[in-house]
Amino acid sequence: DSGVTQTPKHLITATGQRVTLRCSPRSGDLSVYWYQQSLDQGLQFLIQYYNGEERAKGNILERFSAQQFPDLHSELNLSSLELGDSALYFCASSTYGRTEKGEQYFGPGTRLTVT
Amino acid sequence: GENVEQHPSTLSVQEGDSAVIKCTYSDSASNYFPWYKQELGKRPQLIIDIRSNVGEKKDQRIAVTLNKTAKHFSLHITETQPEDSAVYFCAASERSYIPTFGRGTSLIVHP
Repeated sequence: DSGVTQTPKHLITATGQRVTLRCSPRSGDLSVYWYQQSLDQGLQFLIQYYNGEERAKGNILERFSAQQFPDLHSELNLSSLELGDSALYFCASSTYGRTEKGEQYFGPGTRLTVT
Repeated sequence: GENVEQHPSTLSVQEGDSAVIKCTYSDSASNYFPWYKQELGKRPQLIIDIRSNVGEKKDQRIAVTLNKTAKHFSLHITETQPEDSAVYFCAASERSYIPTFGRGTSLIVHP
């Protein structure tokens, strides 16, 4: 157990809908990262937050947004869902804002299925 | 941005053999190279990492080597065991410090 929690574990929804994925980092970690893992795209970095502020952005679609709250938990919002958004979404946390200064601990993931 | 190539995509070995997975990266500014192991249906877990000021690092049966000139790094697993079967991902971290991952190698260790 990495100490990072994600809810829900599974999510099945229809195209066009909006969902929210939630992540709680390890106690004391200030950074939260979101990744999308699909069979054809591998592990793709979406976005990073550090202590409530957006720190870095990767290949995140405009239909997707995220935020980190004062208690450091983070939410990833996916809207106007398409079939191609079906994937495993991981959140990871680390102590520092820069990965070279801290290992990233991954949560168990949320499996999103869009039908 | 950074581009990480990983080979092979699948590696099948007999228990007790060694396994080597190779990665190349494109950005010479990359200075942090972690390796993750992901078992089926589980989360990626860091197994070893290396920083650009080190050429080799070892942890029991696992070692990683880095050649900055050639921009490649490798994971070596000796005396493989069935529980080593998993997907292994390499990654490289550049100025943004966000890791770019390789596509993964599925390691199968046959008893």
